[in-house]
Amino acid sequence: NAGVTQTPKFQVLKTGQSMTLQCAQDMNHNSMYWYRQDPGMGLRLIYYSASEGTTDKGEVPNGYNVSRLNKREFSLRLESAAPSQTSVYFCASRWSSYNSPLHFGNGTRLTVT
Amino acid sequence: EDQVTQSPEALRLQEGESSSLNCSYTVSGLRGLFWYRQDPGKGPEFLFTLYSAGEEKEKERLKATLTKKESFLHITAPKPEDSATYLCAVQANGGKLIFGQGTELSVKP
Repeated sequence: NAGVTQTPKFQVLKTGQSMTLQCAQDMNHNSMYWYRQDPGMGLRLIYYSASEGTTDKGEVPNGYNVSRLNKREFSLRLESAAPSQTSVYFCASRWSSYNSPLHFGNGTRLTVT
Repeated sequence: EDQVTQSPEALRLQEGESSSLNCSYTVSGLRGLFWYRQDPGKGPEFLFTLYSAGEEKEKERLKATLTKKESFLHITAPKPEDSATYLCAVQANGGKLIFGQGTELSVKP
């Protein structure tokens, strides 16, 4: 009963390095999301995928790219990390784009020095 | 402008002291309101969905209610294990899901 699984749990990067955050869900959900959570800012949507084969920008997409690899997996890539991207990143999924609740993973804690 | 506001920001209770958390919203058409619990170092955990004014949902010591302008999360006789941050999120027409800033609840024995 894994739900939404994120890897890695922790990561430290130097400015300019790149990395990919991985997310997989086993609930057969259609829609997947990437959020970042910062103190005082709440949860902010980076990118989402309403269904397999589609991706769209959210509130704060700059500096990020995503790939919906298949129905289960949705990855987030930082091409050139900046200190402003230090945050906790959450992946979430839900059955459809409307009305159904999001189910979250336990996050990736990223520090960029 | 679509907006979700939670109050208070922080709430300290003694064990057994019942209280309520508030989530007020202004959105262009409510499709659903969701409550989540978030423990430190964890992702938000889904608690309830409410779809229309007058609806109520209960789970153990928690009861969520919904009006046309706000939702309340009532906590009856809380225990220390209820300590967490509680988030509400509103699904508006047009697909936007808006999260509140959360209420940090601390229950002391």
